[in-house]
This record gives sequence, structure tokens and C-alpha cells, in this order.
Amino acid sequence: NAGVTQTPKFQVLKTGQSMTLQCAQDMNHEYMSWYRQDPGMGLRLIHYSVGAGITDQGEVPNGYNVSRSTTEDFPLRLLSAAPSQTSVYFCASSHYSGGPNEKLFFGSGTQLSVL
Amino acid sequence: DQQVKQNSPSLSVQEGRISILNCDYTNSMFDYFLWYKKYPAEGPTFLISISSIKDKNEDGRFTVFLNKSAKHLSLHIVPSQPGDSAVYFCAASPSGGGADGLTFGKGTHLIIQP
Repeated sequence: NAGVTQTPKFQVLKTGQSMTLQCAQDMNHEYMSWYRQDPGMGLRLIHYSVGAGITDQGEVPNGYNVSRSTTEDFPLRLLSAAPSQTSVYFCASSHYSGGPNEKLFFGSGTQLSVL
Repeated sequence: DQQVKQNSPSLSVQEGRISILNCDYTNSMFDYFLWYKKYPAEGPTFLISISSIKDKNEDGRFTVFLNKSAKHLSLHIVPSQPGDSAVYFCAASPSGGGADGLTFGKGTHLIIQP
């Protein structure tokens, strides 16, 4: 009963370092996405994918890269970490029919601090 | 510009009473709405949804009401229980769906007092 699995749960980076947040789902969902949650800001979409080989930008994509080589995995890469990227990151997945958004299943989050 | 607004950052309700969480939206293209519940150190979990063709949807203790003309929806929890203490996010999606995700409000922290 894994659902959406995110690793690591916590990470501390220095400014300028790069890293990859991992996300995997075992529900055969076509749609995967990354959100960040900042205090008082709610959840904001970073990048999303509707299937393997297809990705697109969300509301706040700058400083992040994604790729989708398999249905199961959707890693988020920070190219050169900045303090403004200190946040809690959530990966989410759902079936995708092209109609109204299906309910999203979220991972438990990665808390990232950039010093 | 916030398209989904939850104007109450927090709400305190006595156990057994009704909790009412409110959400307003500005984008008239939204017509599918969802509520998510989030406990500390966990991801949000889906609670209940409503399509604009309805004005009410019930699931056990949870009822969502939609007033499309006022661009307003509310989540009612009756009776409130201690396990309902969490942050509740309102989210919206346009009618055509689209892959560009849900638009979330900032959340309301519900505290159920014993």
C-alpha cells in the first residue's frame, strides 16, 4: 500500500548546491506533479507531467527541472539551490482523463532548507 | 492575485459542534472544487469534492455547499471530533480540466477544543 513515496524526508543544502528530490508512485497514475508549500502561501504548482516523456511548467518553475522517463517516477532537480527554495515539497499523482482534475494523492513531503 | 481565497487562517470549534470552513474564488472558469485535509508532517489527503452542476455533496459527517453565483463554497463538519483538527485546503479546477493542476487556497487551521 505504498501510494506516493518521496525521498528524502529532510534535506539541508548550501547555496549553490544541486540535488534531486525523488518521487515514485505505484498506482499506475498518468499524472504526476510537484508542489511547494510555504508559510501563508498554500500549495503552488512547480512542474507536472501527464505521461512518460511529457512535462510542463506550473506556476513557479524557475530553478527546477523535471523529467519523466517512466510512469512511476518523477524526480525534481534543483540546479543551484537558493535560500528562496527553502520550503516543503510535495509530489502528487492521479489518473488523468483530460476532464476535471481527478483527486490528487500526495506524498508525505520533503522539508528542504537552503542555507 | 489569489484566485482561491480562504480568509480565515484558523478556526476553533468545540467538540460536538458544527465546523464551517469557507472558501471564495474569483475565476469563473473554475467549476470543480475539492477539499483536502492535512495533518502536520503528512501530505494532504482528499476529503470531498463537488462539481458545479450540484450545490451540495455529502459524505458522512462532511458536507460541501457550493453557491456558484456568489463564487463561494463551504465545508461543514458535523459533529466535530478531535481527529478533525488539521489544516483544510480548498482547491479548484477549470471545467476543461487541464493538466496544469489545482489552484489551492492558503488553508484554514481547524482546532477542535475538547
